Amino acid sequence: DAKTTQPPSMDCAEGRAANLPCNHSTISGNEYVYWYRQIHSQGPQYIIHGLKNNETNEMASLIITEDRKSSTLILPHATLRDTAVYYCIVTGGSQGNLIFGKGTKLSVKP
Amino acid sequence: GAGVSQTPSNKVTEKGKYVELRCDPISGHTALYWYRQSLGQGPEFLIYFQGTGAADDSGLPNDRFFAVRPEGSVSTLKIQRTERGDSAVYLCASSLVLSGTQYEQYFGPGTRLTVT
Repeated sequence: DAKTTQPPSMDCAEGRAANLPCNHSTISGNEYVYWYRQIHSQGPQYIIHGLKNNETNEMASLIITEDRKSSTLILPHATLRDTAVYYCIVTGGSQGNLIFGKGTKLSVKP
Repeated sequence: GAGVSQTPSNKVTEKGKYVELRCDPISGHTALYWYRQSLGQGPEFLIYFQGTGAADDSGLPNDRFFAVRPEGSVSTLKIQRTERGDSAVYLCASSLVLSGTQYEQYFGPGTRLTVT
């Protein structure tokens, strides 16, 4: 079973920030939080990951709470092309496979 | 640069037939993964290769499924005696491994397998 809990769906207006929450209350000290997204009919795409510090890259920001039991993926200015299923995954640094849940289906609307 | 490629993009086969699905990982990526995705579900892990050897095949559903990576690059997923329940999108991913640390996985577009 996936170690994370995400809302099944969310809507966001184009140009606004999309904030996608994820609960991972059983995360271990050496486990990372990874975010991937899957646009319809494509393979999943890596977005960002973090251990305990907040992270930012050209795609998104990742905010991890101090107790590491939850995190939020932020898309600062959502576009229609950001419509996708977003997966939050917890995994160790040396673990091979990713355990996907059902993710959050984000719909960006004009 | 070139990403992960998978062939064929679509495969329709009859129940009971044998199929092979191919994956070309990103050059230099020593880790290769196979996942299966059914409609409305997230990808489900099947098998993971580190180099030529299968490091973890715990996700293979039964002995009809087998995968190889003989030279540590291209991999083939083989399914014998296909069943209608095998219909799904089969995804391949690869990643860099440095000093025991797995980096992010890059996925191919998948092969859609339909068993009639």
